Amino acid sequence: QLQLQESGPGLVKPSETLSLTCIVSGGSISSSRYYWGWTRQPPGKGLEWIGTIYYSGNTYYNPSLKSRVSISVDTSKNQFSLKVSSVTAADTAVYYCARHEGIPVAGPRRGFDSWGQGTLVTVSS
Amino acid sequence: QSALTQPASVSGSPGQSITISCTGTSSDLGVYNYVSWYQQHPGKAPKLMIYDVTDRPSGISNRFSGSKSDNTASLTISGLQAEDEADYYCSSYTSSSTFVFGTGTKVTVL
Repeated sequence: QLQLQESGPGLVKPSETLSLTCIVSGGSISSSRYYWGWTRQPPGKGLEWIGTIYYSGNTYYNPSLKSRVSISVDTSKNQFSLKVSSVTAADTAVYYCARHEGIPVAGPRRGFDSWGQGTLVTVSS
Repeated sequence: QSALTQPASVSGSPGQSITISCTGTSSDLGVYNYVSWYQQHPGKAPKLMIYDVTDRPSGISNRFSGSKSDNTASLTISGLQAEDEADYYCSSYTSSSTFVFGTGTKVTVL
């Protein structure tokens, strides 16, 4: 049974970099069929897709966040990571990691079928 | 990219059917059948209910069904139950190789 678990600081200061890691267990992050992504949800608001990565390192980002976001993968540890730079209070949200299916190499296509429980990151001094 | 448009709230009595709409553009819903629907209970992670417009993941009740016409997708919940009270989000793959979520709909069981 696939499980995803987010980890990282719950409090980040304004202008600093938010860093989170998603550990995948019960399945290989190197599967050709799946892509791995991040989504966030500010308190009381809707979902926002942040970006997605393939095990090979190919990345896909939300254009509105692309200048500040970086997603990387470590296949040896079966995990992937998110960095958001120059954070402000608007980046305060529950951050979820998740898996979605796609076309091998060509890119993600389908919705997220497995999700982590989410982790709240607050941006405050 | 702009969020897909959903009604803020929809309500119904137990046993009734309700439909949630999701309106996009010719760059997302209008061109691809990679439409998904998620259910989210308070404090919980979203749960995939429908993918590829009409398909249900294993374990999802057949009371949930999806459809699409042009730039609008819909989720129908039939035989409404108290446990269906939650927030629902649509999502679509886009022509820019990105994903976009809907604005979200709160479903209330009266």
